[in-house]
Amino acid sequence: KAGVTQTPRYLIKTRGQQVTLSCSPISGHRSVSWYQQTPGQGLQFLFEYFSETQRNKGNFPGRFSGRQFSNSRSEMNVSTLELGDSALYLCASSPSPSSYNSPLHFGNGTRLTVT
Amino acid sequence: AQKITQTQPGMFVQEKEAVTLDCTYDTSDQSYGLFWYKQPSSGEMIFLIYQGSYDEQNATEGRYSLNFQKARKSANLVISASQLGDSAMYFCAMTLNNAGNMLTFGGGTRLMVKP
Repeated sequence: KAGVTQTPRYLIKTRGQQVTLSCSPISGHRSVSWYQQTPGQGLQFLFEYFSETQRNKGNFPGRFSGRQFSNSRSEMNVSTLELGDSALYLCASSPSPSSYNSPLHFGNGTRLTVT
Repeated sequence: AQKITQTQPGMFVQEKEAVTLDCTYDTSDQSYGLFWYKQPSSGEMIFLIYQGSYDEQNATEGRYSLNFQKARKSANLVISASQLGDSAMYFCAMTLNNAGNMLTFGGGTRLMVKP
């Protein structure tokens, strides 16, 4: 089975631009969640989708948004980019609506650099 | 709100020796799950081991075992017979039973295995 696929692997954008990141979950997984990893703040939860519905959202400004399609693929969008948005963005999928007893499977991430 | 603390920013271990990575957590919930993930330099988060709050036995997965001490709120990872390929960042994470697929991560420990 193919793992979680994130595209692109690397992105360089300029302040003020917007960016869209893509995540294809493992086949059959209906949950997709997104995490931001920075050296200063560590790993922080962005949001989670299950069957096209956003179920949880982390403490991020409205510039960060996402969606999930009927095939479970997900995109996240960051508008009006700031230097502090430079980070590794990780996507994770799961067959279960709860990670209470089902681990998340992560992709390799998209490394975003904002200049 | 729950919190995960990893007090060891970096650790060295000699190849073939065992090593313990510390993790303490804080939550008022009774139903929670604890995870350990490994992150090599490639960026992907690799699931290692899981412990549920109601599990009475410590979890084991091959060379990985989780030393779960509920009263002390600790969930230390023990890696036996360290290998050079174990050099990576290690993250402890927690989820609550009612939190969907939202994980809270600790700051991580960088493990370096010496030949």
